[in-house]
Amino acid sequence: GENVEQHPSTLSVQEGDSAVIKCTYSDSASNYFPWYKQELGKRPQLIIDIRSNVGEKKDQRIAVTLNKTAKHFSLHITETQPEDSAVYFCAASIGVGGFKTIFGAGTRLFVKA
Amino acid sequence: ETGVTQTPRHLVMGMTNKKSLKCEQHLGHNAMYWYKQSAKKPLELMFVYSLEERVENNSVPSRFSPECPNSSHLFLHLHTLQPEDSALYLCASSQGTGGNQPQHFGDGTRLSIL
Repeated sequence: GENVEQHPSTLSVQEGDSAVIKCTYSDSASNYFPWYKQELGKRPQLIIDIRSNVGEKKDQRIAVTLNKTAKHFSLHITETQPEDSAVYFCAASIGVGGFKTIFGAGTRLFVKA
Repeated sequence: ETGVTQTPRHLVMGMTNKKSLKCEQHLGHNAMYWYKQSAKKPLELMFVYSLEERVENNSVPSRFSPECPNSSHLFLHLHTLQPEDSALYLCASSQGTGGNQPQHFGDGTRLSIL
């Protein structure tokens, strides 16, 4: 069935190091891949997204790469800071009209000062 | 950011009660979504409305009944819920009449079923 797998489930890094979170999707028709950050007790917020006609997108310390052939996409955070600590969700939009969004299970990122 | 507002923030109800969750968006968006967020599980899409028309219904039990009277308001009517329905219910909205758009989430309603 349709699913998005996300790894790792937990990631602990030292402040200043890089963090990488990887996702794979099953539906080859997916063409929109957003990433959301959810801090404890708060709402998920979009941090970056990528569409299937682009291989890479960068926004300051955050970058996302997409490999359509392999059906996987990754989030890269460089120079991590304690405030980057949160749960990160990848997602893929599928279905007619692209309204159906399948989320990964989330990665809990800890950035140690 | 108060673009998407959900009420109530917390709700405790018995299995025989009837209650409703409300979501309101002030972003001029045309699509609205209901999600269920349970511990250690992915966000589960429940319903999607575009221009007040339901476009996705993700095999949700009939004890959950959505209503979208206009593009700014979305309700989730609850009746005879089960303990496993305890979760955080998130509302979201997106612009345009097509999908594949960033979604803006509300703070959610924390629902506990006794």
